[in-house]
Amino acid sequence: QSALTQPASVSGSPGQSITISCTGTSSDVGGYNYVSWYQQHPGKAPKLMIYDVSNRPSGVSNRFSGSKSGNTASLTISGLQAEDEADYYCSSYTSSSTLSYVFGTGTKVTVL
Amino acid sequence: QLQVQESGPGLVKPSETLSLTCTVSGGSISSSSYYWGWIRQPPGKGLEWIGSIYYRGITYYNPSLKSRVTISVDTSKNQFSLKLSSVTAADTAVYYCARQARGDYYDSSGYSAPLLGFDPWGQGTLVTVSS
Repeated sequence: QSALTQPASVSGSPGQSITISCTGTSSDVGGYNYVSWYQQHPGKAPKLMIYDVSNRPSGVSNRFSGSKSGNTASLTISGLQAEDEADYYCSSYTSSSTLSYVFGTGTKVTVL
Repeated sequence: QLQVQESGPGLVKPSETLSLTCTVSGGSISSSSYYWGWIRQPPGKGLEWIGSIYYRGITYYNPSLKSRVTISVDTSKNQFSLKLSSVTAADTAVYYCARQARGDYYDSSGYSAPLLGFDPWGQGTLVTVSS
């Protein structure tokens, strides 16, 4: 199975909104509403930010939102803050072989 | 609050078997709502799903690692474990364990219980493969 495709980097100024894309296939992103997004700061474990395309776990800021169109999912961070600078990974359930799971390639978000 | 914690050797010799254990605290591993999974991250690289297990012992593996991976569960100890055989330097990575949500749906193929998001994660443990 191939990793989901994300841009290597995205940047924005404080207060702006940025969007990270995550492109898969009809066997994963496009076929199911099971996309998750993770935030990872350097040296730390990933943290779940969005699940099932657009749901936020308790405690996650509402500045983070998720959506999906066709085979591409998106994570939008609004009101960008310095603390949002981190790596972000999408992931999805995939039925391409047996029941399986796949991560995206990862995106480095830089706050200018 | 449920927590998971990895443990095991930080150094493994090439061609040997990497063995890690994940201990679950603050909740039961025998929940019908979750899988329990292993993820790794080579230094400076992205996340790779290794595999997941249901408390009844049903396993799902990354096809690229399937021939070398075994994941098992010990419900009496509230632990699950990872074994990766015939390791090489390419297996050097931070290894994470995590709880994984379990979905369910019916379609033309019947019933499926998909693997969903990971939360929470352990702090991770660096395993280096070197002689």
